[in-house]
Amino acid sequence: NAGVTQTPKFRVLKTGQSMTLLCAQDMNHEYMYWYRQDPGMGLRLIHYSVGEGTTAKGEVPDGYNVSRLKKQNFLLGLESAAPSQTSVYFCASSAGARVYGYTFGSGTRLTVV
Amino acid sequence: RKEVEQDPGPFNVPEGATVAFNCTYSNSASQSFFWYRQDCRKEPKLLMSVYSSGNEDGRFTAQLNRASQYISLLIRDSKLSDSATYLCVVNIPDTGNQFYFGTGTSLTVIP
Repeated sequence: NAGVTQTPKFRVLKTGQSMTLLCAQDMNHEYMYWYRQDPGMGLRLIHYSVGEGTTAKGEVPDGYNVSRLKKQNFLLGLESAAPSQTSVYFCASSAGARVYGYTFGSGTRLTVV
Repeated sequence: RKEVEQDPGPFNVPEGATVAFNCTYSNSASQSFFWYRQDCRKEPKLLMSVYSSGNEDGRFTAQLNRASQYISLLIRDSKLSDSATYLCVVNIPDTGNQFYFGTGTSLTVIP
């Protein structure tokens, strides 16, 4: 059982480049989330989805876009990368986070130079 | 004031010791509480939920104090493998499934 799989695991981008982070879950969860984690700060929610075809903004959505065309996949796009987007990105899924909590992917370490 | 506050530590304790962490939260309407564990350069993993009456899972005990708006995690008989960062997580009321994450408390268990 793979759980939540994130690709890629590491990436270095130049300022202004674009990229897409892929998150896939095999647990049939309705809810999926993208977080970023920076030193000295708690995980911050970028975007989330409550089901296939839905997306919503979280706490720090600027500079990111998302899509959930299939229930098992949640894509995070960086349109024009900036050094401030250097971070560790975690995808998570849940059957209902208030009861079951989250299952996180192993993370993507992104550096923007 | 941060929505969720934790003592960052580090807590350095010998094997076999008992250690406790507290976490305070600002929104009295929060209803769901969790402790997650995060190893260095790894993803957070759910350790345990925190129930109103308090709950125990082996060497781990979680407590909720609604009046003072804090949750606690007690680890008994610490093992080397308990070394990690412990994240306090509290739901954001009226948002469905969104949560505040604390910045974590670092624990190192020393042989």
